[in-house]
Amino acid sequence: AQTVTQSQPEMSVQEAETVTLSCTYDTSESDYYLFWYKQPPSRQMILVIRQEAYKQQNATENRFSVNFQKAAKSFSLKISDSQLGDAAMYFCAYNYGGSQGNLIFGKGTKLSVKP
Amino acid sequence: GAGVSQTPSNKVTEKGKYVELRCDPISGHTALYWYRQSLGQGPEFLIYFQGTGAADDSGLPNDRFFAVRPEGSVSTLKIQRTERGDSAVYLCASSPVRTQYFGPGTRLTVL
Repeated sequence: AQTVTQSQPEMSVQEAETVTLSCTYDTSESDYYLFWYKQPPSRQMILVIRQEAYKQQNATENRFSVNFQKAAKSFSLKISDSQLGDAAMYFCAYNYGGSQGNLIFGKGTKLSVKP
Repeated sequence: GAGVSQTPSNKVTEKGKYVELRCDPISGHTALYWYRQSLGQGPEFLIYFQGTGAADDSGLPNDRFFAVRPEGSVSTLKIQRTERGDSAVYLCASSPVRTQYFGPGTRLTVL
């Protein structure tokens, strides 16, 4: 069975600095997708970034980028120039590429941003 | 355009009661998902619809939980004989192909 592990329950970053959130996953599949979602106190899960496993190039969305290491089954999220609005829970998620099925989530990392 | 909406935002009920939670997906999205998120945890999968049919209901914890999507759009998650352990945030997501877009969730509290 596929699993997703986020080993950092909480992280803190100074405003304008850079922070990296870790995620590892376990799968025997070669075709899959990985996602980072942000969940502020409002509860709404917001898509941050998506990575297709078949793509070697790391995905980037403005201040957010990933370091995808397929052999190591690692998928970390880097947030540059951190802003107060980045404070939230961040969830890493896995989706098997062979079907349009469910996401498997990690337990999340709570990110605090200090002014 | 409008995102995924869920009603009610909060629901408080008594143990043993029946509840219905509603999800309005983004227009045109054929896939719809229900997840349950307990305090301090990531969302856990309940059921997935492709059109009107349940493509995968392996995450439903027991037969007290049931979901429908009769016209391939709005979905209702139904919980019979609620228990205190059912208290959680219930999230709905819809998807056109791969990426899932979530609603704000319904917080269910069973007293």
